[in-house]
Amino acid sequence: DIQMTQSPSAMSASVGDRVTITCRASQAISNYLAWFQQKPGKVPQRLIYAASSLQSGVPSRFSGSGSGTEFTLTISSLQPEDFGTYYCLQHNSYPVLTFGGGTKVEIK
Amino acid sequence: QVQLQESGPGLVKPSQTLSLTCTVSGGSISSGGYYWSWIRQHPGKGLEWIGYIYYSGSTYYNPSLKSRVTISVDTSKNQFSLKLSSVTAADTSVYYCARDGCCGMDVWGQGTTVTVSS
Repeated sequence: DIQMTQSPSAMSASVGDRVTITCRASQAISNYLAWFQQKPGKVPQRLIYAASSLQSGVPSRFSGSGSGTEFTLTISSLQPEDFGTYYCLQHNSYPVLTFGGGTKVEIK
Repeated sequence: QVQLQESGPGLVKPSQTLSLTCTVSGGSISSGGYYWSWIRQHPGKGLEWIGYIYYSGSTYYNPSLKSRVTISVDTSKNQFSLKLSSVTAADTSVYYCARDGCCGMDVWGQGTTVTVSS
């Protein structure tokens, strides 16, 4: 099974900061990776799919990159509403999917 | 637009079977092109993919749950369902249904909390 490891598991940053979250796959998954944001008590929302494609309606400050085993989600200028937990999801090994463990982002 | 809504008991006794249904509105399951998923989230924890079904009835499950999970579809009602047998307290979670076109779930239900307790 493909394992997904996110880092850091938690972080605190100030408004305006550039934030980078990493997701590493235990084996190559091409670009079959999505990123989700989940705010407390809310439903996860897809931000990025196919590693770098921005979901419609998602602010352009969010971007994704990477291929193979290492991927990043970048928030170019952190906004107060960006707090929450971010998850990656690999869908290379269809039909079996795997989420990363999550990265909790807090606003300083 | 497509909307999903979970329904089912919020309390299940240990060793019994958890049964949930997801009703799809604004689109037809039988039109194809999507996998219909179940995902759960233990209290305060991360997301866990349970499995999904295609409109044709093809199913795929998380290997760690495969022996206890059954996902089925009723295209006449535009619903798909989850059954998880022999539940324990470790199955207490928020359960989500979701639509997956190819690249991760793009539409989610609101989630339903299921507690396993006697």
